[in-house]
Amino acid sequence: KQEVTQIPAALSVPEGENLVLNCSFTDSAIYNLQWFRQDPGKGLTSLLLIQSSQREQTSGRLNASLDKSSGRSTLYIAASQPGDSATYLCAVKQSGTYKYIFGTGTRLKVLA
Amino acid sequence: DGGITQSPKYLFRKEGQNVTLSCEQNLNHDAMYWYRQDPGQGLRLIYYSQIVNDFQKGDIAEGYSVSREKKESFPLTVTSAQKNPTAFYLCASSNPRGGETSTDTQYFGPGTRLTVL
Repeated sequence: KQEVTQIPAALSVPEGENLVLNCSFTDSAIYNLQWFRQDPGKGLTSLLLIQSSQREQTSGRLNASLDKSSGRSTLYIAASQPGDSATYLCAVKQSGTYKYIFGTGTRLKVLA
Repeated sequence: DGGITQSPKYLFRKEGQNVTLSCEQNLNHDAMYWYRQDPGQGLRLIYYSQIVNDFQKGDIAEGYSVSREKKESFPLTVTSAQKNPTAFYLCASSNPRGGETSTDTQYFGPGTRLTVL
């Protein structure tokens, strides 16, 4: 059974710092992996999606990498800003299914 | 604007009452999903639908029911059989059969917060 873990559960950093969020999964038979941002009381906003055949995706200050063989993905945020404060979740889609399995998220606080 | 709408934003249910949460999308997506989110936990899948008139149970379907009579609509009913329904409910859609340009990205609505009185 696929399990998705995100460590740390919470993180506080000063503004301007580069940071890395981690996501690990137990079953490497995935179709894709998606990173989301969630603000308090809101829905999820898609940040980046990496197909199983890809190694990384970039959007602005965000870079997500995928290492299927080791069951890991990282989300790199460059030059963090207070507006980046939110909960970040990763989700994997199992090969051959329509199901997504979500991690519990990392709550990020960027201090001004 | 294309997107997913959920209504109402807040919903209060009395003991023994059935309530229905609305989810509508105008993205022309085939697949739609309902998730439940509890504090400190990840999203858990309640039901999903790959196509009109077809849906499958997710991991926590007991006490919930859905219908998919139209492509753009996927309402969720929380029945009185659901013993602990207080949670944040999220609807999502994706387009897994979108051809070469499909990325299968999941798009989410703004959520409905359900509270049992």
